Amino acid sequence: AQSVTQLGSHVSVSEGALVLLRCNYSSSVPPYLFWYVQYPNQGLQLLLKYTTGATLVKGINGFEAEFKKSETSFHLTKPSAHMSDAAEYFCAVTNTGGFKTIFGAGTRLFVKA
Amino acid sequence: DADVTQTPRNRITKTGKRIMLECSQTKGHDRMYWYRQDPGLGLRLIYYSFDVKDINKGEISDGYSVSRQAQAKFSLSLESAIPNQTALYFCATSDSLGQGPGSNVLTFGAGSRLTVL
Repeated sequence: AQSVTQLGSHVSVSEGALVLLRCNYSSSVPPYLFWYVQYPNQGLQLLLKYTTGATLVKGINGFEAEFKKSETSFHLTKPSAHMSDAAEYFCAVTNTGGFKTIFGAGTRLFVKA
Repeated sequence: DADVTQTPRNRITKTGKRIMLECSQTKGHDRMYWYRQDPGLGLRLIYYSFDVKDINKGEISDGYSVSRQAQAKFSLSLESAIPNQTALYFCATSDSLGQGPGSNVLTFGAGSRLTVL
């Protein structure tokens, strides 16, 4: 069964610094990989999605993620953090059949002024 | 109006009470889901439905039931609530069609926070 591991339940960066949120999935390559973001008191919304093709995926708000099959990773990055990026971020994959989405435990990003 | 609407947004109830959380969508999606969010555990799937006649258990369905009253409506019931069902519940929808950029992307409601005393 597919599983997702997010390294670090909390990450703190200074405004303007690089954001790196780590995600690893189980060994079988899932059909789809996602990053979702949850702002306070809101539901999750899609940041970006990988299916096939280019391994570097660009999302909204300047975020991007790189699919690395050899490392079973799909880490999320942003070159320069903004205060508005403070939120919880979830990595997710679909199961082999593609009809269920499985989420990681989430990483809360804090941005210091 | 929101694409996915959940009611109620907040509910406090007592152990043993029956609770229903309702979800309606205007996306026209065929697939609907109920997830539960707990701190440090991410989101876990309770039930999912691919159409009105297709209901499936997720990984944590014990203690819950669902009803797909129409393509746009999917409700979650706790027949006899217990304190460890205190959580934030999300309804979500997705489109099963094709391989386009929107396929398998979940659209979430704002959540229903349930507290069982």
